[in-house]
Amino acid sequence: EVQLVESGGGLVQPGGSLRLSCAASGFTFSNFDMHWVRQATGKSLEWVSGIGAAGDANYPGSVKGRFTISRENAKNSLYLQMNSLRAGDTAVYYCVRGAVRAYWYFDIWGRGTLVSVSS
Amino acid sequence: EIVLTQSPGTLSLSPGERATLSCRASQSVSSSYLAWYQQKPGQAPRLLIYGASIRATDIPDRFSGSGSGTDFTLTISRLEPEDFAVYYCQQYGNSPVTFGQGTRLEIK
Repeated sequence: EVQLVESGGGLVQPGGSLRLSCAASGFTFSNFDMHWVRQATGKSLEWVSGIGAAGDANYPGSVKGRFTISRENAKNSLYLQMNSLRAGDTAVYYCVRGAVRAYWYFDIWGRGTLVSVSS
Repeated sequence: EIVLTQSPGTLSLSPGERATLSCRASQSVSSSYLAWYQQKPGQAPRLLIYGASIRATDIPDRFSGSGSGTDFTLTISRLEPEDFAVYYCQQYGNSPVTFGQGTRLEIK
């Protein structure tokens, strides 16, 4: 079964850091682009980072310089290092798979991990 | 970045009826790189349509997508009880990829 399982969410103070992890199974992880998409409660979806199969990373302006995406193909794992966190970063963070390399629509989603930024 | 505006915000229909959801882009979406997702409460989104009109794996044929340029439509031909959910469009032709604000499809 193709599966993505996130971990690492929790409560963090403004200005703090958190590292999310995603364990992939059921497919050849190294062949796919991987991404993080977040969703604040009651809001729409926001793409926050993507990494190609070769390790090239991309970010939107809202998190560039604060978030770092990385992957470890040997461990079938994706990571998101989040620094300088703000209240506006509070959301459920989904690990998602890019359906086709270089075409960033998302066919497999994890169940998400909740990040809360509050003092 | 491309802004996607979905309408209506909420659509109230009965099972068996036809649903038409709209997604309008602030600028042309390259090569019809537009996807639709369905999200039910407490669940992750599920991919329905990509390339504006191609159904994803295991998606029933009552779901269809159409459109090009700046105007796209998701049609559900005959609503089943399990279709009542929130639907999002997403463009992936320009970076950053962006999502619409969603259309809530509720039972009338």
